[in-house]
Amino acid sequence: GESVGLHLPTLSVQEGDNSIINCAYSNSASDYFIWYKQESGKGPQFIIDIRSNMDKRQGQRVTVLLNKTVKHLSLQIAATQPGDSAVYFCAEIEGDDKIIFGKGTRLHILP
Amino acid sequence: KAGVTQTPRYLIKTRGQQVTLSCSPISGHRSVSWYQQTPGQGLQFLFEYFSETQRNKGNFPGRFSGRQFSNSRSEMNVSTLELGDSALYLCASSSGRGRTNEKLFFGSGTQLSVL
Repeated sequence: GESVGLHLPTLSVQEGDNSIINCAYSNSASDYFIWYKQESGKGPQFIIDIRSNMDKRQGQRVTVLLNKTVKHLSLQIAATQPGDSAVYFCAEIEGDDKIIFGKGTRLHILP
Repeated sequence: KAGVTQTPRYLIKTRGQQVTLSCSPISGHRSVSWYQQTPGQGLQFLFEYFSETQRNKGNFPGRFSGRQFSNSRSEMNVSTLELGDSALYLCASSSGRGRTNEKLFFGSGTQLSVL
């Protein structure tokens, strides 16, 4: 999977700090959103999802916020750890099952 | 429970050739979908199979095709390869209940290089 993320924006965060990764989605009709984590050489891994009737959802160390007014999605990772280093991207699903993936953000953890 | 398995892991082909990629879903999953991932276009949906039938399709040319077998294993074929087909091809499986692209479990992909 080395072809992934060669030209992605990078977010550098100090280990232990909180990370906030942002995503602008394209379709106001999208009603389901997902965050994925992709480590080098691996396929995307589901992190957390949220439906359009919610504006916040929490998981273990992660929180997703949805702002439908400005079509914005964010992923917050608390107490970032070295194992969080990866490419993160959002995905939106429209009612007819069409899925659109964001381009991704590389999260780099500083020691 | 074994995850989604894709073979081969790496593949090198030349223009004009054809290629077949294989995907074994998680046991019990009946839906298999395929995606193409490139640095320029990101991750794009190719198609989805459920119970041996193509249930959903993305915007790719007819050179890209697939099929699913009765044991839910799936193959994807690309004919008349072009340089732009070089990509990581990912397969994902899901239970098949609900919408196509929800609750996906991805394999590690097949890295295809077209020379």
